[in-house]
Amino acid sequence: DIQMTQSPSTLSASVGDRVTITCRASQSINKWLAWYQQKPGKAPKFLIYDAATLEGGVPSRFSGSGSGTEFTLTISSLQPDDFATYYCQQYNSYSQYTFGQGTKLEIK
Amino acid sequence: QVQLVESGGGVVQPGRSLRLSCVASGYTFSSYGMLWVRQAPGKGLQWVAVIWYDGSKEYYADSVKDRFTISRDNSKNTLSLQMSSLTAEDTAVYYCARCRGDSTGRCYFDNWGQGTLVTVSS
Repeated sequence: DIQMTQSPSTLSASVGDRVTITCRASQSINKWLAWYQQKPGKAPKFLIYDAATLEGGVPSRFSGSGSGTEFTLTISSLQPDDFATYYCQQYNSYSQYTFGQGTKLEIK
Repeated sequence: QVQLVESGGGVVQPGRSLRLSCVASGYTFSSYGMLWVRQAPGKGLQWVAVIWYDGSKEYYADSVKDRFTISRDNSKNTLSLQMSSLTAEDTAVYYCARCRGDSTGRCYFDNWGQGTLVTVSS
């Protein structure tokens, strides 16, 4: 099975900061990576697919990059609504989808 | 707009069974794969099972294989998850989600329900 590892597990930042979350795959997944945002008590919200394509309606301050085994999610200027937990998910192996363990983005 | 509404969660004793349902609306249900994802209290997301748009293929996480069965009724826009031999490790919020992707079966999960809590406890 493909393992996904996110870093850091927790990130403290301030409004207006630029932040980057990294997601590494245990083997190449080409571009088959998605990102989700989850707030406490809520369902995850889909943000990005194919590593770098922003879902419609997602603010342009979010961006994704990477291919192969290393990927990043960047938020260019943090807004109060962005403090949440972020998950990456690989879909290279369609019979065994896997998520990263999550990165909690906290207010500094 | 796409809406997914789960039901069927509750408290169940270890070793017993439970059936979850998810009713979809706002799109052509029979055109999309569907799946279940769960989240144990305070933990991350775990994919559970996926079913192809026409029900022709199903895949399961190793942790639920041979205990859980995913199914769908395209005439009723309904997705189901039959869970058996439940243990405390199955305690989680269970989300249904829509699978969007290409013809190879690769997909990401673009719409989610609100989740239904399953608690396995004696």
